[in-house]
Amino acid sequence: NAGVMQNPRHLVRRRGQEARLRCSPMKGHSHVYWYRQLPEEGLKFMVYLQKENIIDESGMPKERFSAEFPKEGPSILRIQQVVRGDSAAYFCASSPPGASGNTIYFGEGSWLTVV
Amino acid sequence: QKEVEQNSGPLSVPEGAIASLNCTYSDRGSQSFFWYRQYSGKSPELIMSIYSNGDKEDGRFTAQLNKASQYVSLLIRDSQPSDSATYLCAVNKGNNNDMRFGAGTRLTVKP
Repeated sequence: NAGVMQNPRHLVRRRGQEARLRCSPMKGHSHVYWYRQLPEEGLKFMVYLQKENIIDESGMPKERFSAEFPKEGPSILRIQQVVRGDSAAYFCASSPPGASGNTIYFGEGSWLTVV
Repeated sequence: QKEVEQNSGPLSVPEGAIASLNCTYSDRGSQSFFWYRQYSGKSPELIMSIYSNGDKEDGRFTAQLNKASQYVSLLIRDSQPSDSATYLCAVNKGNNNDMRFGAGTRLTVKP
């Protein structure tokens, strides 16, 4: 899982600012997942993307949150006008292309703190 | 109904005992099942995957799958203090690689 790179590892934002979290998948992986984890809670699915395509965004809040995975460059999770409740660990994972059953591998996570 | 359900614990076992972790899932179309371990402040790491009914053993770990009952379990034999962590059950959703996780079970192994 060392191949999934997330940055920044730690981010502090004031309420109302924007947070951008980046994820570069493992080499050869074309699927990216974003999960949010609140303190002492489990992983909550947010969004599942392929290059230039959102496969499932059923876990994304309807407002302020967006995600993309462009043809070139990392996947970006963008949170606009952050509030204190957005403080959490955001984990990115990736998997290779193909049918179901592929293992997903996690990055080290990005810890967002909203003050 | 949650897509993947686990007992949140905490589960406490003495060193050397067997720890048993359970998971149920709601989507009958799921074909792939995974157990991840997460230490506090760290990212989840894969322990085992299982795709067919029955048992799959890897060292001290045994995963068990019963698709008819929509049930997955993880047994840890000869539990060690270093096994103390949160264990996450993961299930693929439907027939693609869309993955869902349970809330995790916190395991404490006491020396």
